[in-house]
Amino acid sequence: SQQGEEDPQALSIQEGENATMNCSYKTSINNLQWYRQNSGRGLVHLILIRSNEREKHSGRLRVTLDTSKKSSSLLITASRAADTASYFCATVSPTRFQGAQKLVFGQGTRLTINP
Amino acid sequence: ETGVTQSPTHLIKTRGQQVTLRCSSQSGHNTVSWYQQALGQGPQFIFQYYREEENGRGNFPPRFSGLQFPNYSSELNVNALELDDSALYLCASSPTSGPGAKNIQYFGAGTRLSVL
Repeated sequence: SQQGEEDPQALSIQEGENATMNCSYKTSINNLQWYRQNSGRGLVHLILIRSNEREKHSGRLRVTLDTSKKSSSLLITASRAADTASYFCATVSPTRFQGAQKLVFGQGTRLTINP
Repeated sequence: ETGVTQSPTHLIKTRGQQVTLRCSSQSGHNTVSWYQQALGQGPQFIFQYYREEENGRGNFPPRFSGLQFPNYSSELNVNALELDDSALYLCASSPTSGPGAKNIQYFGAGTRLSVL
């Protein structure tokens, strides 16, 4: 089952504009991650924010996390046509797993950047 | 380039058949996870292997099984295929030390399985 909802499901903007995507989740988390997927292929890790962090930046990406509201947002500034992709948030919750933690994904936001 | 490769890229099977999907991880990545992604949905966790043993399982029936080998390769086997098994199957590996250890997963490009 999915962890939560992403909003909007689809977003279309002009090149150069900023794109904001939101993610909500249901359970307590260790960290929240954002991934990008081009044309239904593999996912690429973008950024990770830990549960004790409120904001994180990486290049043109800005992620915020509000654990009291169980929500996160991803902002892509100065968008480019190459940013066209699907974006997924994924949460990692406390478990007894050794090794890596399992990712629980949202439904994703399909972002289209128009030239 | 994540260093994770999956084969085959595409596969067509008929209902009731069995299928084996393969994944090759980066050297040093001791954890491999498999995900199923239906069209228009986010990936769903199938199971994870750590040091060649199953280390957690999602809400998938026993006809989904896996193996992990010492050479950082792994397999996903699905028996008695059903139409709803049609999906993109993603393999992801993770290092257990160094930057991103235990958190960031590196995905392959996936195998698209169609069950007719």
